[in-house]
Amino acid sequence: GESVGLHLPTLSVQEGDNSIINCAYSNSASDYFIWYKQESGKGPQFIIDIRSNMDKRQGQRVTVLLNKTVKHLSLQIAATQPGDSAVYFCAELYNQGGKLIFGQGTELSVKP
Amino acid sequence: NAGVTQTPKFQVLKTGQSMTLQCAQDMNHNSMYWYRQDPGMGLRLIYYSASEGTTDKGEVPNGYNVSRLNKREFSLRLESAAPSQTSVYFCASRSSGTDTQYFGPGTRLTVL
Repeated sequence: GESVGLHLPTLSVQEGDNSIINCAYSNSASDYFIWYKQESGKGPQFIIDIRSNMDKRQGQRVTVLLNKTVKHLSLQIAATQPGDSAVYFCAELYNQGGKLIFGQGTELSVKP
Repeated sequence: NAGVTQTPKFQVLKTGQSMTLQCAQDMNHNSMYWYRQDPGMGLRLIYYSASEGTTDKGEVPNGYNVSRLNKREFSLRLESAAPSQTSVYFCASRSSGTDTQYFGPGTRLTVL
């Protein structure tokens, strides 16, 4: 079956640097993608989303890029802070019932 | 506005015992979801309810039942718990006007 996956399971960055978390998807029919942040012991928290009719969307310190040609999604975090340390999941929307398919997750560690 | 709440936060069961995980949302959302998250993995959909009065199977429904009690509440029942059901369970909800799902804090279940 088709699935959403992440390229790297862990990412370590220095405080103040920019972080880039990548995600590959295989369902070319998906038209909506979401990034979630999950801190230890908590539920996933919505960060940013993007529809397939866009290739870039910006939020506060975060940017999501979508490359439909190679089925690739990325999350960029500017000026990474210790509070950004968490596991980041991309998710792909299956239209029926609004079901989300999650990737494995990337653990971001920010070094002071 | 508490968002999505889940009870209990933690639970330990013996094999064969039954229990019900409770979920409630106060955002007037139509759709609700139950996921499980195993170590080092993303979330997998167990059951969902697209609207009050309807429920459907997700990716991993075996061993579970659900009840959409009313618009606010969606419960997950384990009739005869097995060690393979040791996991963290997350409930989520979504407004019919958007695709974004909002998650509760999770229930950490251990089956001995």
